[in-house]
Amino acid sequence: NAGVTQTPKFQVLKTGQSMTLQCAQDMNHNSMYWYRQDPGMGLRLIYYSASEGTTDKGEVPNGYNVSRLNKREFSLRLESAAPSQTSVYFCASRSLAGGSYEQYFGPGTRLTVT
Amino acid sequence: AQSVTQLDSHVSVSEGTPVLLRCNYSSSYSPSLFWYVQHPNKGLQLLLKYTSAATLVKGINGFEAEFKKSETSFHLTKPSAHMSDAAEYFCVVRQEYGNKLVFGAGTILRVKS
Repeated sequence: NAGVTQTPKFQVLKTGQSMTLQCAQDMNHNSMYWYRQDPGMGLRLIYYSASEGTTDKGEVPNGYNVSRLNKREFSLRLESAAPSQTSVYFCASRSLAGGSYEQYFGPGTRLTVT
Repeated sequence: AQSVTQLDSHVSVSEGTPVLLRCNYSSSYSPSLFWYVQHPNKGLQLLLKYTSAATLVKGINGFEAEFKKSETSFHLTKPSAHMSDAAEYFCVVRQEYGNKLVFGAGTILRVKS
């Protein structure tokens, strides 16, 4: 099992450009999440998908959109990138079985917006 | 709303000495608590979790944490630090409603040889 995979690993964008970050999991998990990590702020939730076909805003959704393409894949789109979106982005997934709440994380995407 | 406070942004220890990373939580119910570790340029890995069973929780790599309701604390400890323990550690609480986790700001552990 690869677990949670993310592409790309690194990306540099110019202000105003758009891009989509891809995430896939092979653990048959129901819930998927997108976070951003900034120094001294821990991880903040951008969007999540509790199950296939549903998405909800997290703590910092402005400037982002998401698509839960199927049970495996959850993408994050930046329509018009801004320097404030320079960050490390993590995707995570979670199984709903057995009342387990821990999430499993991908390796991250380092995004720089100039 | 649930929250966690990690009391130290940086901790420095010598190899072979004990590690203590402090975390206080705020929750109106009996919480689910976690410690995650992030090595440089890597994703997050679950170290251990507390879900209202035993109050002393053992995790991977010799780490453990004790849930103390009276002190609203969930400190992470290890008897003897190893160079490979150098990383950033996050204390995390589950939100009461929904499937979301709330992360602390993180503690960077430095291990000196």
